[in-house]
Amino acid sequence: TQLLEQSPQFLSIQEGENLTVYCNSSSVFSSLQWYRQEPGEGPVLLVTVVTGGEVKKLKRLTFQFGDARKDSSLHITAAQPGDTGLYLCAGYYGGATNKLIFGTGTLLAVQP
Amino acid sequence: ETGVTQTPRHLVMGMTNKKSLKCEQHLGHNAMYWYKQSAKKPLELMFVYNFKEQTENNSVPSRFSPECPNSSHLFLHLHTLQPEDSALYLCASSPRALAGTGELFFGEGSRLTVL
Repeated sequence: TQLLEQSPQFLSIQEGENLTVYCNSSSVFSSLQWYRQEPGEGPVLLVTVVTGGEVKKLKRLTFQFGDARKDSSLHITAAQPGDTGLYLCAGYYGGATNKLIFGTGTLLAVQP
Repeated sequence: ETGVTQTPRHLVMGMTNKKSLKCEQHLGHNAMYWYKQSAKKPLELMFVYNFKEQTENNSVPSRFSPECPNSSHLFLHLHTLQPEDSALYLCASSPRALAGTGELFFGEGSRLTVL
């Protein structure tokens, strides 16, 4: 069974702090996506990474894909209350498998 | 506004009721999905439709019955549900079904409570 573990499960921080969220698997992905789900909303795509070692930046968010394409991290600099939400990674297994597997999620609360 | 609209947003039903969830997408996509989101569990894919044809059923109990009359509309018919079926049901669409780097566009979800 393919499994994507995210850590931590829950994180509560003060505005202005930095944080890192992790997404790990024992399997190799063809690509990996990060979504953010705000309260009362559906998930919204933040980024897709495809190449091992790839780093992408989206304003204060930095996404990294592991060299072996089995893991990924999301780093937020100077977190703001608007960053509050559930962060989901989703790994795509291509080829004959053709499956998109979602991680267990990290719930982030940024206190003003 | 993601272009995917789900109704109703909230639904409470008894175990013997029959109800339906509706999803409509205005993005011109060809693939639509139903996902189940329960507390502390990963998003579970239930059904995939590609060009109105069901291409995936993830061993979903028959008390959940999907219907896709065209590429823009998707329904989930609910019948004799169990309390453990209480969850947020998310509809999503994409240009093609499960195509690697392609983005999923989600609706806001229908929060279902089964009493």
